[in-house]
Amino acid sequence: AQSVTQLGSHVSVSEGALVLLRCNYSSSVPPYLFWYVQYPNQGLQLLLKYTTGATLVKGINGFEAEFKKSETSFHLTKPSAHMSDAAEYFCAVSVRTDKLIFGTGTRLQVFP
Amino acid sequence: KAGVTQTPRYLIKTRGQQVTLSCSPISGHRSVSWYQQTPGQGLQFLFEYFSETQRNKGNFPGRFSGRQFSNSRSEMNVSTLELGDSALYLCASSFGGGAGETQYFGPGTRLLVL
Repeated sequence: AQSVTQLGSHVSVSEGALVLLRCNYSSSVPPYLFWYVQYPNQGLQLLLKYTTGATLVKGINGFEAEFKKSETSFHLTKPSAHMSDAAEYFCAVSVRTDKLIFGTGTRLQVFP
Repeated sequence: KAGVTQTPRYLIKTRGQQVTLSCSPISGHRSVSWYQQTPGQGLQFLFEYFSETQRNKGNFPGRFSGRQFSNSRSEMNVSTLELGDSALYLCASSFGGGAGETQYFGPGTRLLVL
């Protein structure tokens, strides 16, 4: 069975600081990995995804993530946080279909 | 293209009632999935429909059901509502529901059961 673990339910950074949101997965077959963002009272928006090929994936709004098979990780980073990045971020995995298994989410706060 | 739309956006029901939520996928998308989001359980997969057939099902009781129409629009129904059914119900669509495909989410229907 597949699973996703997001370390840290809350992360706080200052505006302009590095954002690092951690995600580890468990899967017996090669996974597809996703990061979604959810703003208050909205649905989920795809930030980026890893399917095959290049392990460093660039997404929208300056975010990127690196697939590290040896560490079973897919951490999300952004070099410089902006106030508008404050939201909840979900890491998810899928395998044979597009059914998503989500982590518990990380709420990102950005302070001025 | 218009995104995924869900109606209604907000709903208040009482225990024992039933409710029907609607989802219109992105034009051309044939796969529709439903997820329940609660503070306690997070985001959980309910079921997926493709070409009017339920192709995948999560671990929810039979009170939760769905269907898909020939135009790919989908509805989910919850019968005999319980307080614990209060949640944000999210619909997502993708072209074929295949491995690695991106799911596009609607804004959700927030259901409150009193």
